[in-house]
Amino acid sequence: EAGVTQSPTHLIKTRGQQATLRCSPISGHTSVYWYQQALGLGLQFLLWYDEGEERNRGNFPPRFSGRQFPNYSSELNVNALELEDSALYLCASSFGTSGETQYFGPGTRLLVL
Amino acid sequence: GESVGLHLPTLSVQEGDNSIINCAYSNSASDYFIWYKQESGKGPQFIIDIRSNMDKRQGQRVTVLLNKTVKHLSLQIAATQPGDSAVYFCAENKGGSYIPTFGRGTSLIVHP
Repeated sequence: EAGVTQSPTHLIKTRGQQATLRCSPISGHTSVYWYQQALGLGLQFLLWYDEGEERNRGNFPPRFSGRQFPNYSSELNVNALELEDSALYLCASSFGTSGETQYFGPGTRLLVL
Repeated sequence: GESVGLHLPTLSVQEGDNSIINCAYSNSASDYFIWYKQESGKGPQFIIDIRSNMDKRQGQRVTVLLNKTVKHLSLQIAATQPGDSAVYFCAENKGGSYIPTFGRGTSLIVHP
């Protein structure tokens, strides 16, 4: 069974540009979570989607947004990129019930120059 | 030995030793706990989980111990191998919550 997949693996942008990151969950999972992991720091929760709806968002500005498609895949968009947005962006998926294990993808490394 | 500083706590062991990685969690209402392994440049990988109605759970070469009295979780790795070198972090989930709280992690270095 395929795990969570993310694309691209690496992304280089300049300040002010927009970035789009993609995630495909494990088959059967309806929930997708996005996290930011800056170098040397823990996972910071960004967004949670379930059944196509945004269910919760972390303490990030509105320029971080996303969506979930009918096939449960998801996109994370970061507008007006800033240097401090450089990080590993991780997507995780789970069954859409509380207390379920989240399984992570390999991440997208975003570098903002 | 183990050290804590500006960087992640680090545990250095020799190949073949047993490793114990500790995690203090914050919420006494948390009832589900997970250990993840993250190798350099990769996403976190699920290792083992435990629910609060248990105090010990074993997997392949790994054991998780839960002490709810002092809000402490540990991961024991038997016969540590160089491939076990990674950052290990715990996650706690409060009952009814969908978003776990992740610890910062401990860097395990296994010397051949």
